[in-house]
Amino acid sequence: EAGVTQFPSHSVIEKGQTVTLRCDPISGHDNLYWYRRVMGKEIKFLLHFVKESKQDESGMPNNRFLAERTGGTYSTLKVQPAELEDSGVYFCASSQTKTGLSGNTIYFGEGSWLTVV
Amino acid sequence: SQKIEQNSEALNIQEGKTATLTCNYTNYSPAYLQWYRQDPGRGPVFLLLIRENEKEKRKERLKVTFDTTLKQSLFHITASQPADSATYLCALFAGTALIFGKGTTLSVSS
Repeated sequence: EAGVTQFPSHSVIEKGQTVTLRCDPISGHDNLYWYRRVMGKEIKFLLHFVKESKQDESGMPNNRFLAERTGGTYSTLKVQPAELEDSGVYFCASSQTKTGLSGNTIYFGEGSWLTVV
Repeated sequence: SQKIEQNSEALNIQEGKTATLTCNYTNYSPAYLQWYRQDPGRGPVFLLLIRENEKEKRKERLKVTFDTTLKQSLFHITASQPADSATYLCALFAGTALIFGKGTTLSVSS
C-alpha cells in the first residue's frame, strides 16, 4: 500500500513567488494534516482536514498560506507570496480516524523542502 | 502554552548499551504521548504510543515510560545498534494536533 506522497520533494523559489505543495494521503484516510519545520525549530501543526472540510487551521501562520482539499482526496498548500521565513520542510500526514480521541497512528510523508531565496 | 522539552539535542552511545531519552512537558495533561523516529531527509515514523493510565509500554527493544506526576516520559532502546542512529521525537496531542519536541539525535557507534 502506498504511503503519504508529497510533491515536490524540493523547491527553490524567489521571494515574492508562489509555490504549491501537493499531498496525496493514504487511500481511505479521511483525516489529513499539514505540519511544518523551520530551521532549528520543532515540527509545528498547520491545519487539519476531515475529508474536504477544514477542522482546525489554528496553526496557519498568516493569510499568505492557503490549503485546500477538493473532493476530500489530495490536498494542496499554496504559499503566495513566499517570504524568506517560509523556508523549511512541510510535512503532510494522514490518519483513518481523528487523532487525539483514540491516539491512533498518523502517517507522515517524506516532506516537501522549500527554500525561499 | 503547551511545551515539550527533550533535554538532550544529541546523545552518543556505544553499540550494545541502553540509550535513554527524556521528554518533559508543561502546561498540559495529555491523555497520550507518542514517540517517533526521524531519519535525515525523511518524515517522522511512529514508534510507540503510551496512555496516561499506562506506566510502561514495550515493543521489541523499545520501552517507554510515562509519569504524569513528573510530566515526563522516558524512551529506552536496549542493546542499541548503529541502525538505531536517528532523531527521536516526543509528541503529545493538543486537540487533534500533535505538539512535537525538537528531538534528540542518537548516534550509536560500533
